[in-house]
Amino acid sequence: GESVGLHLPTLSVQEGDNSIINCAYSNSASDYFIWYKQESGKGPQFIIDIRSNMDKRQGQRVTVLLNKTVKHLSLQIAATQPGDSAVYFCAESQGGSEKLVFGKGMKLTVNP
Amino acid sequence: EAQVTQNPRYLITVTGKKLTVTCSQNMNHEYMSWYRQDPGLGLRQIYYSMNVEVTDKGDVPEGYKVSRKEKRNFPLILESPSPNQTSLYFCASSPRGGSYGYTFGSGTRLTVV
Repeated sequence: GESVGLHLPTLSVQEGDNSIINCAYSNSASDYFIWYKQESGKGPQFIIDIRSNMDKRQGQRVTVLLNKTVKHLSLQIAATQPGDSAVYFCAESQGGSEKLVFGKGMKLTVNP
Repeated sequence: EAQVTQNPRYLITVTGKKLTVTCSQNMNHEYMSWYRQDPGLGLRQIYYSMNVEVTDKGDVPEGYKVSRKEKRNFPLILESPSPNQTSLYFCASSPRGGSYGYTFGSGTRLTVV
């Protein structure tokens, strides 16, 4: 399970801080974006998604921001907790496509 | 509970010995997909299926086969496994494809020696 986090950029934060994880996407025709969280030994789990007709969407302690001009997506986690430690992936899809294209991921480590 | 179930979770096998990894979903999803995950390479799609009897290649299909005889099941078949297929495999399903998100299984860690 730990091999998922190998070779990935890492963000280390203190418990209680806010975390921001960034993602640049490649396809200007993509109109659906999703963030997944992957804990050690588990499959990717849905966190939050956003469609291209929006630029911000909020969930419980998480916010996704979409900037279509520069093809940039970010995930903000408020009051980060040790349980948030995981690898985070963004993924994009183009309308009508079966396909989700995944970014390489970022490892978030939350220090108590 | 809505879920994607893969079996086995762990498998060690020898080169050339055919194996099947099973995948089942209970959400009545149309789309199913197999991914492999390797350090430094991320999640790459192997095969996908848009419905019963409809399958197509993803980005890394070589050495793999799939079938979709029933809506809920999407097995991944390695006819003659090789060491470069040692990886972490995930099955996923979606109601209508990428633009509706995929739900992932817990993964199968395969080692081919």
